[in-house]
Amino acid sequence: QKEVEQNSGPLSVPEGAIASLNCTYSDRGSQSFFWYRQYSGKSPELIMSIYSNGDKEDGRFTAQLNKASQYVSLLIRDSQPSDSATYLCASRRGMDSSYKLIFGSGTRLLVRP
Amino acid sequence: EAGVTQFPSHSVIEKGQTVTLRCDPISGHDNLYWYRRVMGKEIKFLLHFVKESKQDESGMPNNRFLAERTGGTYSTLKVQPAELEDSGVYFCASSQGIRDRPYGYTFGSGTRLTVV
Repeated sequence: QKEVEQNSGPLSVPEGAIASLNCTYSDRGSQSFFWYRQYSGKSPELIMSIYSNGDKEDGRFTAQLNKASQYVSLLIRDSQPSDSATYLCASRRGMDSSYKLIFGSGTRLLVRP
Repeated sequence: EAGVTQFPSHSVIEKGQTVTLRCDPISGHDNLYWYRRVMGKEIKFLLHFVKESKQDESGMPNNRFLAERTGGTYSTLKVQPAELEDSGVYFCASSQGIRDRPYGYTFGSGTRLTVV
């Protein structure tokens, strides 16, 4: 079992719709979670981070964390074609000395004009 | 602010040769990380420097990989001798990171290594 699981997609949504990206993790010691966006051939770019149960909103993006269910999600409202990319979920364990991130394999999002 | 810089962007070498990848982190970032993504797999951690010290090298695959960060500025990752399975994209990242407030990283654009 992978530590961080994501559906590889592609997830296809029409422009203006809400895109919902999901991620599950197996390590209950994970405390911090990150969503990165990666365009083809480019570097991963941090979109959101979340540490506490509940929702965290930033513009069109909302990250949701449920530690009891070991589930993290990213909602993208009013999806735009420019949002088409691979979205990577990553987890990090507690406050130990290493900041190592564990990545999922990513979900490809396609936003249709 | 300049981002994380990596070079070369691409490298094609023959099996058995040596390759050295370089990473220049964002100025002032004490934490520097190396990750890699092999074809079809997820991005995986290799190691973490805090300044010039190796904080965690648990992801280094074997002793053919040597990472250094002399002076706590730029870092190099040397693969010697390279094998076919070393092909992939090697990412460097840096963060300012305070122990009790983990920040997300800033990634470089990566070095695509192809071993033939």
